[in-house]
Amino acid sequence: SQQGEEDPQALSIQEGENATMNCSYKTSINNLQWYRQNSGRGLVHLILIRSNEREKHSGRLRVTLDTSKKSSSLLITASRAADTASYFCATAPNAGNNRKLIWGLGTSLAVNP
Amino acid sequence: KAGVTQTPRYLIKTRGQQVTLSCSPISGHRSVSWYQQTPGQGLQFLFEYFSETQRNKGNFPGRFSGRQFSNSRSEMNVSTLELGDSALYLCASSLGGGQQSYEQYFGPGTRLTVT
Repeated sequence: SQQGEEDPQALSIQEGENATMNCSYKTSINNLQWYRQNSGRGLVHLILIRSNEREKHSGRLRVTLDTSKKSSSLLITASRAADTASYFCATAPNAGNNRKLIWGLGTSLAVNP
Repeated sequence: KAGVTQTPRYLIKTRGQQVTLSCSPISGHRSVSWYQQTPGQGLQFLFEYFSETQRNKGNFPGRFSGRQFSNSRSEMNVSTLELGDSALYLCASSLGGGQQSYEQYFGPGTRLTVT
């Protein structure tokens, strides 16, 4: 079953606008990771945020984590056509011995020139 | 450093056949994970290997198997192929420690079509 659920499923914006996508999960986690997938570069790791962190930045990317609401958001500022991709969150549950990541179904982002 | 490589990139097989996919991780990476990606189910974890040992396994039938060699290269095998096995199979490597702790580097995938 899916742990992370991204919202919205699809998003279409104009170049220069900001894009926000959200991820909700069900169980307590050690960390949450965001990945991007496009046809040119495959699946690429963007940011890892640990459960004791609230916000993290990487270039034009900003990730927040609210463990009380079991949710995370990824903000892409000043979007570019090259940001067109699917974005996935992957959660690392801290329960039990199973140390695998659980993936959401992704948000499909289209940035129009 | 060279990235994760997967061979072959595309494969067409018929039902009942078996297939072997190969993955070469980034040099120095000892953990290799395999995933199946389909439009409806998203990214589903198959298994993870570390130092030639399977460390984690997803919820797939026994037709799906894998192994890792001493040089960290990994193979996965699917026997008695079914139409539902058509998918993009992704391999990811990381330094060690497991998927949860370390950034994973993904290969381009093998697109398997079962007819």
